[in-house]
Amino acid sequence: GESVGLHLPTLSVQEGDNSIINCAYSNSASDYFIWYKQESGKGPQFIIDIRSNMDKRQGQRVTVLLNKTVKHLSLQIAATQPGDSAVYFCAENTSGTYKYIFGTGTRLKVLA
Amino acid sequence: EAGVAQSPRYKIIEKRQSVAFWCNPISGHATLYWYQQILGQGPKLLIQFQNNGVVDDSQLPKDRFSAERLKGVDSTLKIQPAKLEDSAVYLCASSLGQGRQYFGPGTRLTVT
Repeated sequence: GESVGLHLPTLSVQEGDNSIINCAYSNSASDYFIWYKQESGKGPQFIIDIRSNMDKRQGQRVTVLLNKTVKHLSLQIAATQPGDSAVYFCAENTSGTYKYIFGTGTRLKVLA
Repeated sequence: EAGVAQSPRYKIIEKRQSVAFWCNPISGHATLYWYQQILGQGPKLLIQFQNNGVVDDSQLPKDRFSAERLKGVDSTLKIQPAKLEDSAVYLCASSLGQGRQYFGPGTRLTVT
């Protein structure tokens, strides 16, 4: 459903470690998913996307995994850097519609 | 390529006053979105346009919010009268079609 919650879950990782951010999506008909990164005072920035005919897609230092059976999406960031500190959102979309539903978001804190 | 432009970046008003936000999408992007992002939550869609026509305004509080995109390019979002709960960041995004959205920096509204 819609994004809810007053407090963002936070993931703290050591610089250089790998990060895994999870997202449970709501609509089994959703077939396109995007991960966004939002830094303080800025709008969301596209990281990577995946369509439902795939279960894995890799970018530069990032990998998205899609498990349609349990409606779960994850974002893996390799060798996490201080610049990766931000809030990460997943968004789901159904083909034929323009509407995107955003998840609650996860705050990633990178510890030096 | 210039990104999505929004103004003002910040606005403080008293409740019951009116306010307007402006958005200039990426050149050639037919689809334009307005989102409301309350602190600690993901963006929530208010309205989306395809060229100058409204595609979805189901979550727009129409008793106080209005939006237009007269020439299919720039868009304005207005709140009249504002309530305390309207305090949020208002994000504009654009896309070529149903795919990847590009977000502007947002307008942070504080209603006192």
